[in-house]
Amino acid sequence: QVQLVQSGAEVKKPGSSVKVSCKGFGGTFTKYAIGWVRQAPGQGLEWMGDIIPIMDSTNYAEKLEGRVSLTTDESTSTAYMELSDLRSEDTAVYYCARGDYGLHGPLFYFDHWGQGTLVTVSS
Amino acid sequence: DIQMTQSPSTLSASVGDTVTITCRASQSINSWLAWYQQKPGKAPKLLIYKASSLESGVPSRFSGRGSGTEFTLTISSLQPDDFATYYCQQYSSYYRTFGQGTKLEIK
Repeated sequence: QVQLVQSGAEVKKPGSSVKVSCKGFGGTFTKYAIGWVRQAPGQGLEWMGDIIPIMDSTNYAEKLEGRVSLTTDESTSTAYMELSDLRSEDTAVYYCARGDYGLHGPLFYFDHWGQGTLVTVSS
Repeated sequence: DIQMTQSPSTLSASVGDTVTITCRASQSINSWLAWYQQKPGKAPKLLIYKASSLESGVPSRFSGRGSGTEFTLTISSLQPDDFATYYCQQYSSYYRTFGQGTKLEIK
């Protein structure tokens, strides 16, 4: 059974960085893309970016370009999202989600999601 | 970026009703559209992909239609478990985008 398990909640100061992990269980990790989506309190879903390990490829949302970095560690089937220069408006629940790149190529949707990680940015 | 616009933002309905949510893309996305359901405090759940394909395990009362720039999600015979927020998402572009969401409330 496919499962994505994310790291726990974080509280960060403005200007600092946060790194959220997403460990995959079930399936061959390298054939999947991992996307990151965030949701500010009471707001909708915002796509942040995708990483495709097998292609060594990343795509980032333009508004976050330069502040967000997506990486993976295939040896532990874990994906990471690091967001730097944190601001109060980065307070949100951050989700990782899996896309089946092996089956669909770049035209993948998110069929499995992590449980979410709350990141609070506050002085 | 491709903009996705959902309507309505909020929808009130009763158990047993049939409802339709619309999602419009700012440019053609062929059929590369997914629908997700989200309940409070939970991660989104995939319902529909490729505009009209039902994800395994999703009840058949959920259906999707459309191509190009206009899409719909229809829920027939609403059940109490269906009251949630629904999002469309395009994956035609490398830069995926979501609609702003439609909250389905009990009337």
